[in-house]
Amino acid sequence: DAGVIQSPRHEVTEMGQEVTLRCKPISGHNSLFWYRQTMMRGLELLIYFNNNVPIDDSGMPEDRFSAKMPNASFSTLKIQPSEPRDSAVYFCASSFMTGETQPQHFGDGTRLSIL
Amino acid sequence: AQKITQTQPGMFVQEKEAVTLDCTYDTSDPSYGLFWYKQPSSGEMIFLIYQGSYDQQNATEGRYSLNFQKARKSANLVISASQLGDSAMYFCAMREPNDYKLSFGAGTTVTVRA
Repeated sequence: DAGVIQSPRHEVTEMGQEVTLRCKPISGHNSLFWYRQTMMRGLELLIYFNNNVPIDDSGMPEDRFSAKMPNASFSTLKIQPSEPRDSAVYFCASSFMTGETQPQHFGDGTRLSIL
Repeated sequence: AQKITQTQPGMFVQEKEAVTLDCTYDTSDPSYGLFWYKQPSSGEMIFLIYQGSYDQQNATEGRYSLNFQKARKSANLVISASQLGDSAMYFCAMREPNDYKLSFGAGTTVTVRA
């Protein structure tokens, strides 16, 4: 079975450019999560979708960040304009249901570097 | 307050030996889930094992097992017969009802020596 698929694996771009990260969740999973991992703050939840609807985006750092989930098999996280402090590893994760018994399955992550 | 505490930043273990990674958690909910993830140097996050708060038995998954002590609020991961490929960062995480996100610990780096 295919896991969570993220693209690109690595992205290096200059400050001010738009960055789009992509995610395909596991088929049949109805919950999707975007996390960011940095050395200073560890893993932080950015946004959570349930059945393609954004439920909680309180973790999104600022208006430069936006996320969409147009259908059950695709989500994007966009940063515009990007800044050096956005450099991090961004993970997409999905789970079958929302609940404390359900593991979240992570993609391989996108390592983002903003110069 | 920190929900998940992993007090061991790094550990060394000899190949074929067992290693125990500590994890303590803090919650007032009677129902919760505990998870362990492995993050090798290549960066991906791999789900290893799950323990539910109401589970009577310790979870096991191949060479991974959980030493779950509910009264002490600890969920230590035991890796038996360590292999070189076990070298990675290991994260303990908790999920509470009505809180869809995972709360992660700071992680423990395990280095397996030949």
